[in-house]
Amino acid sequence: EDKVVQSPLSLVVHEGDTVTLNCSYEVTNFRSLLWYKQEKKAPTFLFMLTSSGIEKKSGRLSSILDKKELSSILNITATQTGDSAIYLCAVEITQGGSEKLVFGKGTKLTVNP
Amino acid sequence: KAGVTQTPRYLIKTRGQQVTLSCSPISGHRSVSWYQQTPGQGLQFLFEYFSETQRNKGNFPGRFSGRQFSNSRSEMNVSTLELGDSALYLCASSLLTGTGELFFGEGSRLTVL
Repeated sequence: EDKVVQSPLSLVVHEGDTVTLNCSYEVTNFRSLLWYKQEKKAPTFLFMLTSSGIEKKSGRLSSILDKKELSSILNITATQTGDSAIYLCAVEITQGGSEKLVFGKGTKLTVNP
Repeated sequence: KAGVTQTPRYLIKTRGQQVTLSCSPISGHRSVSWYQQTPGQGLQFLFEYFSETQRNKGNFPGRFSGRQFSNSRSEMNVSTLELGDSALYLCASSLLTGTGELFFGEGSRLTVL
């Protein structure tokens, strides 16, 4: 069974801290790994990673994929209260000739002022 | 450009009833995917439609069904509702595939009593 596991499940930090969120996966037919941010209801896209070892950056957020370890991390530096959200990791797999996403349960990040 | 629109936003049903949820994708997007989100299971893939054809399906019972119309709008139906169907149902659209950068709607919150 395809599985995506995120850790920790929840995290509370203070503004200015740096956080690292983890995502590991056991899937067949891996194509890519994606990160989404869910603040209220609608998840929004952050990154898509396909190649091992290449860091993707957007402002204070960065992510990297390790295909050998079947994992990815999402780093957030100098956290702000606006970073409070659920961060979702998803792995794109090929199944039956088409693609689908398998999501982890998410990491709930709370950033206190 | 208007985002993904889901209706209704909230609804309450009783066990045994059926429900139909609607999703209008971003203009020009031809793929619509549906996900169920619960606190215990996270985001789980229901199905994906592209050009009125179901392209992929998750591991849900036959009570869950969907369809897509020629204008790419999609509906999902759940028959014989059970308490465990209480969840946030998210619809996501994308240009061509049901993966990669998905654009999510705000969701339909279903409560089954």
